[in-house]
Amino acid sequence: AQSVTQLDSHVSVSEGTPVLLRCNYSSSYSPSLFWYVQHPNKGLQLLLKYTSAATLVKGINGFEAEFKKSETSFHLTKPSAHMSDAAEYFCVVSATQSGNTPLVFGKGTRLSVIA
Amino acid sequence: DGGITQSPKYLFRKEGQNVTLSCEQNLNHDAMYWYRQDPGQGLRLIYYSQIVNDFQKGDIAEGYSVSREKKESFPLTVTSAQKNPTAFYLCASSIDLIAGVEQFFGPGTRLTVL
Repeated sequence: AQSVTQLDSHVSVSEGTPVLLRCNYSSSYSPSLFWYVQHPNKGLQLLLKYTSAATLVKGINGFEAEFKKSETSFHLTKPSAHMSDAAEYFCVVSATQSGNTPLVFGKGTRLSVIA
Repeated sequence: DGGITQSPKYLFRKEGQNVTLSCEQNLNHDAMYWYRQDPGQGLRLIYYSQIVNDFQKGDIAEGYSVSREKKESFPLTVTSAQKNPTAFYLCASSIDLIAGVEQFFGPGTRLTVL
């Protein structure tokens, strides 16, 4: 079975400062990992995904994440926060060798950006 | 425009009534999903479907029903048996059900029980 833990329910940063959203995963198989973003009352949009290629994954809007197998982590970072980054972020795991397995979502981290 | 549409955006229901949420996709995806979202709980899987006329229960299927008569459509019925139906409902689709493929999401339907 796989699971994902987002270590912070809420992160607040000032505009122009770095963003770090933390995610740890558990999986019996080689995982695929995703980060999705959700703005208020909207659907989810894919930011980036890791599927066993390069461990440093670049996504949209300047976000990137690094897969660290030894730490079972997949933290999301951005060098400089923008006001438009304020949203809910979800870390998601899917096991690549377990057949027909839907995605498993973390509980989300709400990012606030202060002007 | 390719994508997933959900209707209505907002839905109000009286206790004891069944209500059906619509989800349509024109991405030619085989797999479709329904999630429920509550504050602080992330997304929880209700039902999913790999192909037409086939669907599987997710983690919280009790009080819900689905059908998949067409590849493009995956409606969700919230029945009167669902004890706490007020939530934000999200529909998604993916090329297939193989683990590791990304899901594409609709804009959601907010259901409120009065």
